[in-house]
Amino acid sequence: SQQGEEDPQALSIQEGENATMNCSYKTSINNLQWYRQNSGRGLVHLILIRSNEREKHSGRLRVTLDTSKKSSSLLITASRAADTASYFCATDRFGNEKLTFGTGTRLTIIP
Amino acid sequence: DVKVTQSSRYLVKRTGEKVFLECVQDMDHENMFWYRQDPGLGLRLIYFSYDVKMKEKGDIPEGYSVSREKKERFSLILESASTNQTSMYLCASKTPAGRYEQYFGPGTRLTVT
Repeated sequence: SQQGEEDPQALSIQEGENATMNCSYKTSINNLQWYRQNSGRGLVHLILIRSNEREKHSGRLRVTLDTSKKSSSLLITASRAADTASYFCATDRFGNEKLTFGTGTRLTIIP
Repeated sequence: DVKVTQSSRYLVKRTGEKVFLECVQDMDHENMFWYRQDPGLGLRLIYFSYDVKMKEKGDIPEGYSVSREKKERFSLILESASTNQTSMYLCASKTPAGRYEQYFGPGTRLTVT
């Protein structure tokens, strides 16, 4: 079963704007990660946030985690054409090496 | 940098054929994974391996088997390919030493006709 559901499924914004995508999950987690996938390629790890953290930054990326709502958001600031990709959240549970991925948000940056 | 390679980017096979998808990683990772990716369904775990000769079923193992004879190589086998196995197949690896991010190969787009 799918642990994570991303919202929206697709998002188009102008270059330079900020992009926000959300992820909801169903069970308690150890960590939540975000990955990027360029068209037809493998996934690339972006950022990881632990269950005891509320916010994390990496360059133009900002991730928040609300464990009470079982949700996370990924904010990409000052978007660039190269940010055009699909973004997936993935969760793991305590004592379990497996990741459970969401269905992804397809982000298009319009030059 | 971790490098995960997959034997083919594109593969076309006929129904009933035996199909081998190969994955190799160069970072001495213990854990390796096979996923399939379908539109609207995200990534689903087929099988994973904690170490050589060790494997565990993921969420959708039916119709697949795996082989891990060497630490760096993890093979996915479709014993008798069917059209519903047409998909993108992604291999990943990770070290279990307190790190959780997975490193992915470029994927193999398999079409079964």
